[in-house]
Amino acid sequence: IRMTQSPSSLSASVGDRVTITCRASQAIGNELGWYQQKPGKAPKLLIYATSSLSSGVPSRFSGSGSGTDFTLTISSLQPEDFATYYCLQDYNYPYTFGQGTKVEIK
Amino acid sequence: QVQLVESGGGVVQPGRSLRLSCAASGFLFTSYVIHWVRQAPGTGLEWVGVVSQDGIIQFYADSVKGRFTISRDNSRNTLYLQMNSLRAEDAAVYYCARGGLNIAATIEDYWGQGTPVTVSS
Repeated sequence: IRMTQSPSSLSASVGDRVTITCRASQAIGNELGWYQQKPGKAPKLLIYATSSLSSGVPSRFSGSGSGTDFTLTISSLQPEDFATYYCLQDYNYPYTFGQGTKVEIK
Repeated sequence: QVQLVESGGGVVQPGRSLRLSCAASGFLFTSYVIHWVRQAPGTGLEWVGVVSQDGIIQFYADSVKGRFTISRDNSRNTLYLQMNSLRAEDAAVYYCARGGLNIAATIEDYWGQGTPVTVSS
């Protein structure tokens, strides 16, 4: 299953609402997660099963979608949110990541 | 607390083999599926493979199938990634990450720090 993320990068300011999309090449139900990665660090799980917030993740992060189209939204971008975000389909093996979206400071 | 610590990375020539290890602690190792994920320099994440709790079931990415083998020693709380016939494109930081309580679950929020592999003559 191919996962296509868009955009590949974006520039935004603190306080902005940011939306990242992920499209699957076939229907994957709600079997999608979102990960945040900062340079030199391991990825961090933000959201699983499309919309469930991982423990300790701020409520400004949310996820939605089903089938083939999914969205990660950051309602009010904070300085610590500048990072690269990846979607992951865990509908079936082999699992596949999107190519990533780098969120940079405007 | 949950810890995953990879080791075994290094520089290897194309065509040679390397075995990575992932030592787990802070949780009941035998209850969880474990994944390998890699990241080539300057690129995104690539899922590599997974092993079931008993080591019997494995799945692999097409890019490594037939060359890489995942195994685990539950008596030592350790996961292994045997990499054979290494290619330049296998150069990456390799992470182990905890999956769920069944093979169909997602990759949870427990990852190692990664171990780098360089493939070069």
